[in-house]
Amino acid sequence: DAGVTQSPTHLIKTRGQQVTLRCSPKSGHDTVSWYQQALGQGPQFIFQYYEEEERQRGNFPDRFSGHQFPNYSSELNVNALLLGDSALYLCASSSGQLYGYTFGSGTRLTVV
Amino acid sequence: KQEVTQIPAALSVPEGENLVLNCSFTDSAIYNLQWFRQDPGKGLTSLLLIQSSQREQTSGRLNASLDKSSGRSTLYIAASQPGDSATYLCAPGDSGNTPLVFGKGTRLSVIA
Repeated sequence: DAGVTQSPTHLIKTRGQQVTLRCSPKSGHDTVSWYQQALGQGPQFIFQYYEEEERQRGNFPDRFSGHQFPNYSSELNVNALLLGDSALYLCASSSGQLYGYTFGSGTRLTVV
Repeated sequence: KQEVTQIPAALSVPEGENLVLNCSFTDSAIYNLQWFRQDPGKGLTSLLLIQSSQREQTSGRLNASLDKSSGRSTLYIAASQPGDSATYLCAPGDSGNTPLVFGKGTRLSVIA
């Protein structure tokens, strides 16, 4: 049973560019959450998607947007990249709260 | 707003020692609590999930306890091994699909 799959694993972008990160949830999960983790910090919640809609959002600017597809996979888009957007981006999937969250291996984004 | 604190921030122990990692959270109205392991630059691996109705959960050499009323959880690692070296994160979850909140974790080094 495949867990959460994220792509790409690493990415280098130039300041001002746009980036799209992708996530396929664990089989049977219908909810996808995205987190940003800076070096030495815990993961910070960006937003959560359920039934193809953004259900909750953390304290992140509108440059961060997302999408969920009918097959529950999800994309995270970041526009006008800043150096401070360099981080590990984590995707987590879940199905209700009872069974907890499953995380992917993350995408390491470096903005130069 | 839920806040999570993990003590100590870092811990270095010789191989074979038993150790305890502490997690405290400010809002005790939780549904469950999850412990994760994170290797450098990697995603989060779920170790244990404790429901609010449970007092503890065990998996191999790991035992996690939960005292919901006092807002505390501990992760006990028996007979530590160098392979246990990683950052350990706890995350309380509530029933309202509120996203997980993380502290900064405890960075564990087990010396052979």
